[in-house]
Amino acid sequence: GDSVTQMEGPVTLSEEAFLTINCTYTATGYPSLFWYVQYPGEGLQLLLKATKADDKGSNKGFEATYRKETTSFHLEKGSVQVSDSAVYFCALSQGGSEKLVFGKGMKLTVNP
Amino acid sequence: EAQVTQNPRYLITVTGKKLTVTCSQNMNHEYMSWYRQDPGLGLRQIYYSMNVEVTDKGDVPEGYKVSRKEKRNFPLILESPSPNQTSLYFCASSFRQPTDTQYFGPGTRLTVL
Repeated sequence: GDSVTQMEGPVTLSEEAFLTINCTYTATGYPSLFWYVQYPGEGLQLLLKATKADDKGSNKGFEATYRKETTSFHLEKGSVQVSDSAVYFCALSQGGSEKLVFGKGMKLTVNP
Repeated sequence: EAQVTQNPRYLITVTGKKLTVTCSQNMNHEYMSWYRQDPGLGLRQIYYSMNVEVTDKGDVPEGYKVSRKEKRNFPLILESPSPNQTSLYFCASSFRQPTDTQYFGPGTRLTVL
C-alpha cells in the first residue's frame, strides 16, 4: 500500500539556521503530496501541497518540490524562527482515494 | 469562524466505561475522519466518512465505532475502553475528499485507567 517515510527527529536548531526535512513516498499512480504542521497544543494545519510532478508548494517561507524521479517531497526553509517550533508531517493521497496517509512526524525545536 | 470542534478536550476514564467524543464542523464538509496520535507511531486513521450515512474503517478501527447521521457531526464511540486506547485523538474534515485541505480539531487527550 501507499506509505510515507520521513525524518523523525527530534531536531534542534538555532534561529536563522537552514532547515531540511526529508520525505519520501511509495505509491502507485500520481499522488498529491502535503506537509502539515502541528504547533504545540494544537491540531494539524496544512502548510503546503503539490499535486503533480515538479510542482513547488510554498508558504510562510517553507518550500517543497514534488520530485517524481526520486519519489520525494523534502521540506526546506532558509532561515528558521523560534515560532517554527512544531511537529511536521508529510502526507500523501491518491486522487480518487478515500484516505490520507501520514508519515510519523518530526519534532523541530528552534532555540533563540 | 470556520472550525472543527471536539469535546471533551481532556478525559480520564476507567476500563470498560463507554464514552463518546464529539466532533462537529461548520463548513458543510462532506469528508470527515478520526485519527489517533501516539509517540513514535505518528498519526493513524481510525475511521472516515465520505458523506452522511457513509463510513468506513481506517487503519486502526478495532475498539471504536462511529456514526454520521448529520453532515456536521461525526462522533467517535468507545464502547468498552481499554488502556491501549489512551491517546491523543483528532477529528478532521475537508470539502469532499482527502486531497482537499484537511481542517483539524484541537484534539482530545484520553486516558483510560
